[in-house]
Amino acid sequence: DQQVKQNSPSLSVQEGRISILNCDYTNSMFDYFLWYKKYPAEGPTFLISISSIKDKNEDGRFTVFLNKSAKHLSLHIVPSQPGDSAVYFCAASARGAGKLIFGQGTTLQVKP
Amino acid sequence: GAVVSQHPSRVICKSGTSVKIECRSLDFQATTMFWYRQFPKQSLMLMATSNEGSKATYEQGVEKDKFLINHASLTLSTLTVTSAHPEDSSFYICSARNGMYQETQYFGPGTRLLVL
Repeated sequence: DQQVKQNSPSLSVQEGRISILNCDYTNSMFDYFLWYKKYPAEGPTFLISISSIKDKNEDGRFTVFLNKSAKHLSLHIVPSQPGDSAVYFCAASARGAGKLIFGQGTTLQVKP
Repeated sequence: GAVVSQHPSRVICKSGTSVKIECRSLDFQATTMFWYRQFPKQSLMLMATSNEGSKATYEQGVEKDKFLINHASLTLSTLTVTSAHPEDSSFYICSARNGMYQETQYFGPGTRLLVL
């Protein structure tokens, strides 16, 4: 049972344009969501998070949007840069449960 | 802040030997650390949750006698793969939370284990 789903395995975007990565979840108990960036053979790097009491959180070029009714969140990167090319994982947790449930990841390629 | 290290970064061992991987939180105290495993082109799979001073909580399907976890201090957790076999070859990653009520986990750089 995949509770967190990233249905697009890959995304290709031109440098300077917006990258939109999507994530869906099924467990209504999830109340905290995170995005991580990962390079091959490295650990994930935390990017940005959002609590279920918010619908938007912004940090520099990264914005996460949460639509609780649709159980959907997205990560917007603008403007996209070649250095953003990596695998992006969304993750969710239910407060108190402690553990994160990860999606399958989306490979982003930003072309110069 | 929130830096997590792992050692070693890579290890190659013979089948039947045991391998210990260390996970350290460098600039914060981590009451809870987590151990994940990642297969090629797949997501991170949680193996166990490690709480300082108590027994680890293992996910379903993870053999606790195979993957020994010790969390002896607030900055160190260890994962020992006992009697390793080729199917244990994988990328092992730890993470730590900066506080009991913090949801964000900070990850180490990972350890690549190859069992021959």
